[in-house]
Amino acid sequence: KAGVTQTPRYLIKTRGQQVTLSCSPISGHRSVSWYQQTPGQGLQFLFEYFSETQRNKGNFPGRFSGRQFSNSRSEMNVSTLELGDSALYLCASSLTTGAASYEQYFGPGTRLTVT
Amino acid sequence: AQKVTQAQTEISVVEKEDVTLDCVYETRDTTYYLFWYKQPPSGELVFLIRRNSFDEQNEISGRYSWNFQKSTSSFNFTITASQVVDSAVYFCALSRSNQGGKLIFGQGTELSVKP
Repeated sequence: KAGVTQTPRYLIKTRGQQVTLSCSPISGHRSVSWYQQTPGQGLQFLFEYFSETQRNKGNFPGRFSGRQFSNSRSEMNVSTLELGDSALYLCASSLTTGAASYEQYFGPGTRLTVT
Repeated sequence: AQKVTQAQTEISVVEKEDVTLDCVYETRDTTYYLFWYKQPPSGELVFLIRRNSFDEQNEISGRYSWNFQKSTSSFNFTITASQVVDSAVYFCALSRSNQGGKLIFGQGTELSVKP
């Protein structure tokens, strides 16, 4: 079974631009979560989507948004990029969400550099 | 609030030594889940184990073992007879029972196993 895939793997953007990252979950997985990883802040939860609905949200500004499609694929968007948005963005998928906490499987990440 | 603390930032051992990675968590929930993930240099987080708060049985998987103690809010990870391939950053994480898609990570412990 194919793992979680993320595209693109690397991205360089300029301050003020916007960016869209894509994540395809493991086949059959319906929950997708996004995380930001930086040397200073570590791994921080951005948001989770299940059945095309945002289920949980982390403490990030409104410039960070996401969505999920009917095939469970997900995208996240960052508008008006700032230097501090440079990070590894990781996507994770799991079978479902809610009361039972299933393990999440992570993709290889998208390395975003903002100059 | 939920919090995970991995006090050891870096650990260096020589191959075949045993090593224990510490994880202490904080939560007021009675039902929660604990995880360990491995992040090799390639960047992709690899799932190692999931434990729920009602299961305090220790677990062993090959050279890996986990010790869960609710009394001390700890979920420690031991690698027996370490190998160079074990070199990676290891993360302990916590999730609430009704927020399965949201993992709260510790800062990670970078393990270096030297030949």
